[in-house]
Amino acid sequence: EAGVTQFPSHSVIEKGQTVTLRCDPISGHDNLYWYRRVMGKEIKFLLHFVKESKQDESGMPNNRFLAERTGGTYSTLKVQPAELEDSGVYFCASSPTEVYEQYFGPGTRLTVT
Amino acid sequence: AQSVTQLDSHVSVSEGTPVLLRCNYSSSYSPSLFWYVQHPNKGLQLLLKYTSAATLVKGINGFEAEFKKSETSFHLTKPSAHMSDAAEYFCVVSALMNRDDKIIFGKGTRLHILP
Repeated sequence: EAGVTQFPSHSVIEKGQTVTLRCDPISGHDNLYWYRRVMGKEIKFLLHFVKESKQDESGMPNNRFLAERTGGTYSTLKVQPAELEDSGVYFCASSPTEVYEQYFGPGTRLTVT
Repeated sequence: AQSVTQLDSHVSVSEGTPVLLRCNYSSSYSPSLFWYVQHPNKGLQLLLKYTSAATLVKGINGFEAEFKKSETSFHLTKPSAHMSDAAEYFCVVSALMNRDDKIIFGKGTRLHILP
């Protein structure tokens, strides 16, 4: 069984540019989560999808971040325009039910210069 | 509200000696507690979880953790460290039955294994 995959593994962009991160959850997992780890800080929750619906987006830092999950399969997280403080590692996780353990992807390391 | 504190940002042990990674939590509800490990360039992997069953939880790779409510602790232990255990470890708390609460990560403990 394939695990959670994320693309790209690394991205380096300039301040003001746009970046789109992609997450492919484990097939059949309705729940998809995005997290972010800024350097030196703890991993923080961004948002939670159940199928294609946003269950909870209270962790999204501001309106420069837009997450979508069209069709309830893969998800994208767009940052537009990127700022220096957006640098960090963005993790995606999926689970079959909300009370089940979450399976994490390897993360996308985003560097904004 | 919930919080989790990993008391050490770095721990170094010699190969073959015991490992202790400390975690304290606070939760308004009966918590679920997890330990995850991240090896370089890999995703977070679940080591073990406590969800109100047995207080001593055994996980993969010889790790175990004990839920101590009186001490609000969930320390991770292993009797004998192996070089492959070198990684970053995260303690996580969740009140999964309370939909308003998120899962909360500790800041992580980086485990170094000395030859």
